[in-house]
Amino acid sequence: ETGVTQTPRHLVMGMTNKKSLKCEQHLGHNAMYWYKQSAKKPLELMFVYNFKEQTENNSVPSRFSPECPNSSHLFLHLHTLQPEDSALYLCASSYLAGATKNIQYFGAGTRLSVL
Amino acid sequence: DAKTTQPNSMESNEEEPVHLPCNHSTISGTDYIHWYRQLPSQGPEYVIHGLTSNVNNRMASLAIAEDRKSSTLILHRATLRDAAVYYCILTVTGTYKYIFGTGTRLKVLA
Repeated sequence: ETGVTQTPRHLVMGMTNKKSLKCEQHLGHNAMYWYKQSAKKPLELMFVYNFKEQTENNSVPSRFSPECPNSSHLFLHLHTLQPEDSALYLCASSYLAGATKNIQYFGAGTRLSVL
Repeated sequence: DAKTTQPNSMESNEEEPVHLPCNHSTISGTDYIHWYRQLPSQGPEYVIHGLTSNVNNRMASLAIAEDRKSSTLILHRATLRDAAVYYCILTVTGTYKYIFGTGTRLKVLA
């Protein structure tokens, strides 16, 4: 148990569906992150939030829409996805963003399949 | 962007030490070196980090070259539960980025 919980663990959706991924952290951290992990590729940072403000958008397509209502919760809203978006989506949190000795705590991820 | 290079896979016998190498020749003076590992069906978990000096904790040791262009994660006695993908990561000064490489898949033989 890392203190970062992601739901659902598995998701199958069609290309025309709209769905949301949820992440919750119980660590009192101020920064939250979304990563994408595709088969045989390095983890790709997607978004960073620090004190609920988005500080990084790593050229992510607009069909991925993040939301951070407070420092404990992070959502990733999905719409009109493509099959190549199928991947493991990981959420992480840390005490602060941008501090190079930060330790990030990861959730177990949501395995997304787009049909 | 700063980049890390690791071997794709390594094998070790149970209860023997394991040395996992990482090259990061483009590291800048204030970039930290982190190691995480990812067990099957889990997210990455923190192992250890350092800046210039060698570091020890209950999980592992980190040996950093004097020029900081490479580092080695040392597992002192590998167990079957240490089988995972190990990532060497640079945290880039002035950004919010962790630069993950493709990692080393460690197989531990009983």
